[in-house]
Amino acid sequence: GEKVEQHQSTLSVREGDSAVINCTYTDTASSYFPWYKQEAGKSLHFVIDIRSNVDRKQSQRLTVLLDKKAKRFSLHITATQPEDSAIYFCAASMGNYAQGLTFGLGTRVSVFP
Amino acid sequence: GGIITQTPKFLIGQEGQKLTLKCQQNFNHDTMYWYRQDSGKGLRLIYYSITENDLQKGDLSEGYDASREKKSSFSLTVTSAQKNEMAVFLCASNGGGQNTLYFGAGTRLSVL
Repeated sequence: GEKVEQHQSTLSVREGDSAVINCTYTDTASSYFPWYKQEAGKSLHFVIDIRSNVDRKQSQRLTVLLDKKAKRFSLHITATQPEDSAIYFCAASMGNYAQGLTFGLGTRVSVFP
Repeated sequence: GGIITQTPKFLIGQEGQKLTLKCQQNFNHDTMYWYRQDSGKGLRLIYYSITENDLQKGDLSEGYDASREKKSSFSLTVTSAQKNEMAVFLCASNGGGQNTLYFGAGTRLSVL
């Protein structure tokens, strides 16, 4: 089955700088790549996703890049703010979403002043 | 907007005990999921259900049963709690042709 590897377990970034979280996946059939955020003491919520028919998607300060050849995707957070501090999970699935997602282990992002 | 409600928030059990976790959603979503979140292991799918009375096993289904009694509710049973087991169980749902998962706040399980 699909395996999703999230390459950094922790990431510290100065407020205002950019943060980049990298993930790789194994199944070439995967076509949907969402990111979820888990703030301290809270559950996960969706932040952004990308489908395999594009290689870049931006939403405000968040950008997702997808490199299908390398089976790699990344989340870029620009102008980081304290509220960006959280655990970020990448995930991958094939087109039929009912099968569920395969999640990475999460990256704890800490934004310091 | 909608909400996913998981009960109880905290569950303390004894080794060998059967324990049931409940999840309710008012999104009117078709598909519901149970994930287990362990420290350092991310989220792993236990069961999912694409409609009332449907059940599909995930990668981690052994040791669990599930029940989708009606569209809005999805229960998970730990058939025999393992000593020193500690994990957070997350319920999620999606529907309406949208891929986005909506998660509940979780049930934190501790087994003595």
